[in-house]
Amino acid sequence: GAVVSQHPSRVICKSGTSVKIECRSLDFQATTMFWYRQFPKKSLMLMATSNEGSKATYEQGVEKDKFLINHASLTLSTLTVTSAHPEDSSFYICSARDLGNSYEQYFGPGTRLTVT
Amino acid sequence: QKEVEQDPGPLSVPEGAIVSLNCTYSNSAFQYFMWYRQYSRKGPELLMYTYSSGNKEDGRFTAQVDKSSKYISLFIRDSQPSDSATYLCAMRAVSGNTPLVFGKGTRLSVIA
Repeated sequence: GAVVSQHPSRVICKSGTSVKIECRSLDFQATTMFWYRQFPKKSLMLMATSNEGSKATYEQGVEKDKFLINHASLTLSTLTVTSAHPEDSSFYICSARDLGNSYEQYFGPGTRLTVT
Repeated sequence: QKEVEQDPGPLSVPEGAIVSLNCTYSNSAFQYFMWYRQYSRKGPELLMYTYSSGNKEDGRFTAQVDKSSKYISLFIRDSQPSDSATYLCAMRAVSGNTPLVFGKGTRLSVIA
């Protein structure tokens, strides 16, 4: 299957700081990328849909000014958690939809964010 | 009623057993159906995808879609301890670039 990478895999930051998470599709082009959040033993919660070259669409209840998403190219999307708080600690996973195979969607390995 | 229903388990089976995982859904517009496997602290891995109704087989895995009943299944033959993970069904409509709708996931343990 296609490969999606995420960086960093783990990050610890202090309250009030900002953290950027990168998501890359390594061997395919992705017009659409998705950002999810997952709490322990819970299912994936969609945060936003990111389309290359346009503004992200955020799900209800997700603060767009807090979770900044940039999808600058067909292979890269970034999620920046601004002014992080301990309640932002979570597992963040990106996913990319293959432009050539519109029904296939691949996930990154996830980023574990801990805010102290 | 939620769009996608999936029994969260946990489901525990002995090694070698046939495992049956299922999801039901309510949106008749769904046409793409996927199964993902997620190990603890990892991202979901795409196992199988199916378009519309029918069966698809890949090694020990078989995916079935019954659109008339709005019911999808994943069968795992000769289950192995390495199959122990959470299995998520996901689906979406054809039109538009809509996000996947996920089930809650079923936790499977295969006991050696």
